[in-house]
Amino acid sequence: AQSVTQPDIHITVSEGASLELRCNYSYGATPYLFWYVQSPGQGLQLLLKYFSGDTLVQGIKGFEAEFKRSQSSFNLRKPSVHWSDAAEYFCAVATGANNLFFGTGTRLTVIP
Amino acid sequence: GAVVSQHPSWVICKSGTSVKIECRSLDFQATTMFWYRQFPKQSLMLMATSNEGSKATYEQGVEKDKFLINHASLTLSTLTVTSAHPEDSSFYICSARTGGRGNEQFFGPGTRLTVL
Repeated sequence: AQSVTQPDIHITVSEGASLELRCNYSYGATPYLFWYVQSPGQGLQLLLKYFSGDTLVQGIKGFEAEFKRSQSSFNLRKPSVHWSDAAEYFCAVATGANNLFFGTGTRLTVIP
Repeated sequence: GAVVSQHPSWVICKSGTSVKIECRSLDFQATTMFWYRQFPKQSLMLMATSNEGSKATYEQGVEKDKFLINHASLTLSTLTVTSAHPEDSSFYICSARTGGRGNEQFFGPGTRLTVL
């Protein structure tokens, strides 16, 4: 069965600092992996996705993620965080049935 | 492109009434739409998958008679919460899927339902 784990419930970083949000997945086949961001009271916006090919994926807003099959991970990174990045971040895996399964989310707080 | 809208964005209703939420794909045709429910500070839980012209497939534990889903066209799906109760208060989010590679889902902005 598929599952997604985001071990960090809440992360606080200073503006300008680097960021890494962790995501581990469990899925028997080659996964399709996604990172979404949700601002309070809003829907989800896709940051980036991995289907195949280059394991380092570039997304919007300066985010990137690296797929590591050996570690079953798809961590999200940003070299310099902006105050506007404060939000909830969800990692998700798409199964063969093409349904999305989400992690529990990581709330990012950015302090000035 | 690939914009999904939801209406209304928020609704308050009395216990026992029914509420309809619309999900529209504005600039693409969506053969499949999904309905999610999100409780405060929690993740999205898939409620049902809706294919145009056929009955929705509900996830385990979701009452199909309470959450009626209609996918009448390739751009519109509706979720009706029947005889709503306070425990149905939640954030409901829809998504629509294109037929493209990876079957990416595009999400609506969500509907906040409060049942008094």
